Amino acid sequence: DTEVTQTPKHLVMGMTNKKSLKCEQHMGHRAMYWYKQKAKKPPELMFVYSYEKLSINESVPSRFSPECPNSSLLNLHLHALQPEDSALYLCASRNRKEGTEAFFGQGTRLTVV
Amino acid sequence: DAKTTQPPSMDCAEGRAANLPCNHSTISGNEYVYWYRQIHSQGPQYIIHGLKNNETNEMASLIITEDRKSSTLILPHATLRDTAVYYCIVRAKVETSGSRLTFGEGTQLTVNP
Repeated sequence: DTEVTQTPKHLVMGMTNKKSLKCEQHMGHRAMYWYKQKAKKPPELMFVYSYEKLSINESVPSRFSPECPNSSLLNLHLHALQPEDSALYLCASRNRKEGTEAFFGQGTRLTVV
Repeated sequence: DAKTTQPPSMDCAEGRAANLPCNHSTISGNEYVYWYRQIHSQGPQYIIHGLKNNETNEMASLIITEDRKSSTLILPHATLRDTAVYYCIVRAKVETSGSRLTFGEGTQLTVNP
C-alpha cells in the first residue's frame, strides 16, 4: 500500500465553522507534511511532523492547528478561516531514511465562504 | 536546502523526448536532486532522484552534471498524459528533525499531439 489518503476531497465551510482535514498512511512513514497550494502556484509547506512530534511550523496562523495522534494519522484542524485560506491542502509522508521519496495525497479542495 | 531555477514553460511533441533542465548551482555535497510532477489538481507524484550518478527508472532518466550544478530530467517518449508541472527539488541527504521538501515554481510541460 503506497497510498496517502486524504478526506474529505472537497470541503466548503463558513468563516465561523470548525472543521478538520484528515490524512492517513499505512506505509510506516515517520515524517508527515501539510502543504497549502493556491491556484497556479507551487505547494507551500505549512507543517512537518517527525516521529509524531511537530518539528517545523512555517509561521502558519493559529487558525490552522495540526495534530498527529499516531504514526499513521495526521489532522489539520481549521477554525475561523478567511476566504483567502481557500486552497488545495496536500498531505505527504515519507520514510525518514536517507534518500527516500515523499508520497502525496490527492488533496482536499477547501472553499471558505 | 539549495535553491533551484527552472524555465517556466516548455513544449514537446508527442512521441519525442522531453528534456527538462534545472539549475542548482549552490547545491552542496550532501544534497540530493529530486524530481516530482503535478498533473492538474492532483497531488505531486515522485519521478526520480539522484545524488551524483545518472539515474534511470521506468518513468524517466536523470542526468546530473559532473559539477552537480545542474541536472536534466528526460522523458524519453513523451505522451499527452505527461503534460504537467515538473518540480526540481534539492534536499539534504542527512535528516535533521524532519527535513523540508520545498517546491520552487517548476516548469509547465505541455505535450502537443
